[in-house]
Amino acid sequence: EAGVAQSPRYKIIEKRQSVAFWCNPISGHATLYWYQQILGQGPKLLIQFQNNGVVDDSQLPKDRFSAERLKGVDSTLKIQPAKLEDSAVYLCASSYYLEQFFGPGTRLTVL
Amino acid sequence: DAKTTQPNSMESNEEEPVHLPCNHSTISGTDYIHWYRQLPSQGPEYVIHGLTSNVNNRMASLAIAEDRKSSTLILHRATLRDAAVYYCILSITTGANSKLTFGKGITLSVRP
Repeated sequence: EAGVAQSPRYKIIEKRQSVAFWCNPISGHATLYWYQQILGQGPKLLIQFQNNGVVDDSQLPKDRFSAERLKGVDSTLKIQPAKLEDSAVYLCASSYYLEQFFGPGTRLTVL
Repeated sequence: DAKTTQPNSMESNEEEPVHLPCNHSTISGTDYIHWYRQLPSQGPEYVIHGLTSNVNNRMASLAIAEDRKSSTLILHRATLRDAAVYYCILSITTGANSKLTFGKGITLSVRP
């Protein structure tokens, strides 16, 4: 069974630039999550999708972050414009039931 | 959200059992107890979850106190590959899916 795929694996940008991350969940998983993990901390949930609808985006900084999940499969997370404090690993996860499967993450460095 | 308390770190010897404690005194009746682990430079990995009864799987065992205010993750024979950050999480369930709120976890070191 293929796992959760994410790209790119690494991204370096300057502040005020835009960046987008892509996630392909495990086939058949209706729920998709985006997390932000700052160095030394546990992952923080940014947004949760059920199929192509948003279930929870209470911790998503909506003035600069946006996410979509077209057709209930792949998802993209965008940051525009980026700030220095957005430097983190962005993790995508998917689930069918209670167990969440995580991708390898995208490490973002904002200079 | 109900919170968990874990020690910051723990050391163990290879091939010995490891008991990782977790306190969750404000757990509600419908909260599941999840354990995930994160190896260096990887995404978190599911280990085990339970509600009231003790649980066993190929990776570990989960012992849940009778009052559910604490639990222990048991690795029966630690290997070097088990060195990771282990997160004890109480999930808020909405239907078939759960919302996980990660804390800082406990860093497990394994000595050869």
